[in-house]
Amino acid sequence: QKEVEQDPGPLSVPEGAIVSLNCTYSNSAFQYFMWYRQYSRKGPELLMYTYSSGNKEDGRFTAQVDKSSKYISLFIRDSQPSDSATYLCAMPPTTSGSRLTFGEGTQLTVNP
Amino acid sequence: KAGVTQTPRYLIKTRGQQVTLSCSPISGHRSVSWYQQTPGQGLQFLFEYFSETQRNKGNFPGRFSGRQFSNSRSEMNVSTLELGDSALYLCASSPGTGGYSPLHFGNGTRLTVT
Repeated sequence: QKEVEQDPGPLSVPEGAIVSLNCTYSNSAFQYFMWYRQYSRKGPELLMYTYSSGNKEDGRFTAQVDKSSKYISLFIRDSQPSDSATYLCAMPPTTSGSRLTFGEGTQLTVNP
Repeated sequence: KAGVTQTPRYLIKTRGQQVTLSCSPISGHRSVSWYQQTPGQGLQFLFEYFSETQRNKGNFPGRFSGRQFSNSRSEMNVSTLELGDSALYLCASSPGTGGYSPLHFGNGTRLTVT
């Protein structure tokens, strides 16, 4: 079983829709959660991060963490065609010897 | 500030050959990490260098190696290429090492092994 599971999609929505992207994780020691966005033919870029349970909002984006369920979500409100990308969740290591652990990524297309 | 630069962008190699990929980090960043990205597996951590020393290593065979120079530039080498090595190789730099230091990625080198 992978430490971080993410449905690869693809997910296709109409412009203006609310998008929900999700990851589950198995290691309860994870305390810090990140979302990266990767456009086609580009490297991932950090979108948001959050330390604790609850919600964190940044413009149209909201990151939500439910540690009791080991479940994190990224919501996109009023989705735009420019949001079309692959979204990856990531978590830092809990022991030395590694770096970020990424989910497989969910490919999102927002149709005009 | 210039971002992370990876060269070349595309490579086509034959099985059994070796390849060297290059990464120039953001100025002032001393940590360079390498990841392999493939459909189905996502991003897999290869290794991390900090101040010319390998700090962390992922679960890849010894055919994958790397190094970092005194100017923080890094190279990654893959010897005896296999078809399964076809992937996007991403380099990321950060000011420090450790999981909480955010990674800044380059646009990757797309390696195709035939």
